[in-house]
Parts: sequence; C-alpha cells; structure tokens
Amino acid sequence: QKEVEQNSGPLSVPEGAIASLNCTYSDRGSQSFFWYRQYSGKSPELIMFIYSNGDKEDGRFTAQLNKASQYVSLLIRDSQPSDSATYLCAVNAGGQNFVFGPGTRLSVLP
Amino acid sequence: DTEVTQTPKHLVMGMTNKKSLKCEQHMGHRAMYWYKQKAKKPPELMFVYSYEKLSINESVPSRFSPECPNSSLLNLHLHALQPEDSALYLCASSHDPGDNQPQHFGDGTRLSIL
Repeated sequence: QKEVEQNSGPLSVPEGAIASLNCTYSDRGSQSFFWYRQYSGKSPELIMFIYSNGDKEDGRFTAQLNKASQYVSLLIRDSQPSDSATYLCAVNAGGQNFVFGPGTRLSVLP
Repeated sequence: DTEVTQTPKHLVMGMTNKKSLKCEQHMGHRAMYWYKQKAKKPPELMFVYSYEKLSINESVPSRFSPECPNSSLLNLHLHALQPEDSALYLCASSHDPGDNQPQHFGDGTRLSIL
C-alpha cells in the first residue's frame, strides 16, 4: 500500500515567520511530488510541484525534495494570515497513481 | 475561478433520485478524474479516464456511474445514493496520463443526500 504521511497539525506560526510543512512517502518509485493548498470548503489549488532532488523556489514558496530520505517539504516565507489553510502533499508513483497525504492545517497568527 | 468547471455547485437529492454531476475542461487535457472528499479528509480517487476510456475504477459502488462523452467532458451519474455518500465531489484533469503532470481541480460539487 503506497502511503503519504503528513503531520496533521495544526501548525501555528506568527505572521512574517517561515512555515515548514513536511511530507514522507513510502514508495521509492515515486517520481513527482505536488503541494496543494485547500481553504475550508474550497477545492485543492496547486501551489508547487517538484521532480528532482533539491530545492525549487516560486515566490514565497520553496519545495524541497530528498528522494534518498523519501521526504518532501514546503517552506512558506513571510507567512501571511491568508496562508492559513490545509496543505496537501500528493505523490505520483507512476501513471495515474496519485496519492494524497492527510494534509497539514496551517494557522498564521496576526 | 478554475479552468475545470463543475456543475452544479450544490446538489441536494433524495435516496431514490437520479442526478448527474458534470465536469468540463478546455485545456486539451487527456486525463480526467473523479474524487470524493469528506470533511477534514484528503481527496479519495474514484475514477480515472485516459483518452476518454475508463482506466481506473477504485472499487466504487455501482450507484456511481462515470461517463466521458468526449475529451472535454466528464459526467458522474448518481442513482440510489446513501446518506454516507454526502461529500464534496471533485473533478480534476491533467495534461496526459502517466506523464507526472499536476492535476488541476474544479471547484467541486457539494452533494447532500437526504
């Protein structure tokens, strides 16, 4: 059974701080990794995706991938109250095998 | 607003009703997906269509019947649903099956079964 794990939170950070969200996965054959943001009552929104080991930056967001450790993370710099949401990690182990983690609830405190 | 359009946004139906959920995308994507999401849980995959053919059915009860009339449209036909089927139903699409591209979600249909 392919598994994706995340700390469910809530993770609380003060406004302006760095929020660090973590995700581990069980299938070493996993090839692509995605972070989605989901506001309460809304649908998931793609934030970042990463395929290769290392860091990928997009604005205030940085995705980090370490395939040897089967670990992917999302850093949010200068966190804003509008970043308060559930962050879903999703892993594609090939084909259409897209597995979501349980999500981490982030709360950014003004 | 997303590029994947789902209708209706809300649906309330009785257990004996027949209704359909609709999903449309005009991004030229060739893979389309149905997910079910309960409160405070991640999306659960139900069906995958690749090039308009059903490629994955995650052991979904037959009271849910998917249909892909063409490459832009995806339907989910509902019949004799149970109260536990109340959930947010999400449609997603991706560029090509198996190419590891991200999935893009519609806004969802919130379904309530009375």
